[in-house]
Amino acid sequence: GEDVEQSLFLSVREGDSSVINCTYTDSSSTYLYWYKQEPGAGLQLLTYIFSNMDMKQDQRLTVLLNKKDKHLSLRIADTQTGDSAIYFCAEGGSGGGADGLTFGKGTHLIIQP
Amino acid sequence: DAGVIQSPRHEVTEMGQEVTLRCKPISGHNSLFWYRQTMMRGLELLIYFNNNVPIDDSGMPEDRFSAKMPNASFSTLKIQPSEPRDSAVYFCASKLTGYEQYFGPGTRLTVT
Repeated sequence: GEDVEQSLFLSVREGDSSVINCTYTDSSSTYLYWYKQEPGAGLQLLTYIFSNMDMKQDQRLTVLLNKKDKHLSLRIADTQTGDSAIYFCAEGGSGGGADGLTFGKGTHLIIQP
Repeated sequence: DAGVIQSPRHEVTEMGQEVTLRCKPISGHNSLFWYRQTMMRGLELLIYFNNNVPIDDSGMPEDRFSAKMPNASFSTLKIQPSEPRDSAVYFCASKLTGYEQYFGPGTRLTVT
């Protein structure tokens, strides 16, 4: 079955880069996503990458995809206190985007001053 | 746009009672998803609809759970009878074509 794994916690100093890693099992996934959840709120899409790409950059965010190893990472440059949240990796099936997502359990990003 | 609207935001009920969670998707969106989030199991897809039709309900945990979408602007998730292990945050999400799902703020359900 589908499975998405990620570390539960990551602690970084303010101003450093954060790298959150994720592995997935469904090789037919068309899109892979990173969502952010702040306390008491719903999930917000940060970025996504199509499975035939290996990198995508969007301002402070860089997504790297190693399709061979089924490994996805999210790098946040110059981490700020406002980046403190839970970050979810998710994969979308091959159903043209009309199906539900499979999420990892989320990585809590903790920012040290 | 108001985004995905869920009600109530918090629900506390006693075991055995019926619970109904409500969702209003973003106007014009044609897919709607119900997720459940717990500390132990993370975020799980329960069911999703496309054009008001249930497509995949394999994530619905038991027959106590049911979901309906009578029209394009409203969906309900019902638990009858509720049990303490149903305590979780329930999210509704909607999308149009393309791949971004927009999540509501969630309903925090506590069953005592």
